[in-house]
Amino acid sequence: AQSVTQPDIHITVSEGASLELRCNYSYGATPYLFWYVQSPGQGLQLLLKYFSGDTLVQGIKGFEAEFKRSQSSFNLRKPSVHWSDAAEYFCAVNGGFKTIFGAGTRLFVKA
Amino acid sequence: GAVVSQHPSRVICKSGTSVKIECRSLDFQATTMFWYRQFPKKSLMLMATSNEGSKATYEQGVEKDKFLINHASLTLSTLTVTSAHPEDSSFYICSAERLANTGELFFGEGSRLTVL
Repeated sequence: AQSVTQPDIHITVSEGASLELRCNYSYGATPYLFWYVQSPGQGLQLLLKYFSGDTLVQGIKGFEAEFKRSQSSFNLRKPSVHWSDAAEYFCAVNGGFKTIFGAGTRLFVKA
Repeated sequence: GAVVSQHPSRVICKSGTSVKIECRSLDFQATTMFWYRQFPKKSLMLMATSNEGSKATYEQGVEKDKFLINHASLTLSTLTVTSAHPEDSSFYICSAERLANTGELFFGEGSRLTVL
């Protein structure tokens, strides 16, 4: 069965510092991979996706993620965090039938 | 980008009444829409998959008679919480898949249901 693990429940970074949110998945083949962001009381917004091809994908708001098959990982990165990036981030996996979400990582940004 | 609108964003109702939540894809046709429930500080729990023109597929443990889903058109799915109880209070979110079977989802803004 497919599963998604986000090891960090919450992360705090200083504004301007770099960010990396971890995501590991379990699936028999290479699934479709996604990162979503959720602001409080809102729905989710797609940040970026990986279907195939270049393993480094660029998304909106300056985010990027790298797919590493050997590590079954799809970590999200941003070189310089802004205060407005504070939110909940969800990694998601789809094997062609159902999308499975990780538990989420809450990002706090300190001044 | 694809836009999904959900309405109402907040609703308060009395126990025993029914509440309908609408999910619309505004600029694309969605043969498949999904309904989730999200508890505070928790991830999304898939409740059901809504398919246009056919019955919804419910996840294990979700009462189909309590959470009625109708997907009457390619742009509209509705979730009706029937005979609501306080334990039904939650944040309900819908999503729509623009490209079939890719998992690329576009989400509504969510609906906060409070049952008194």
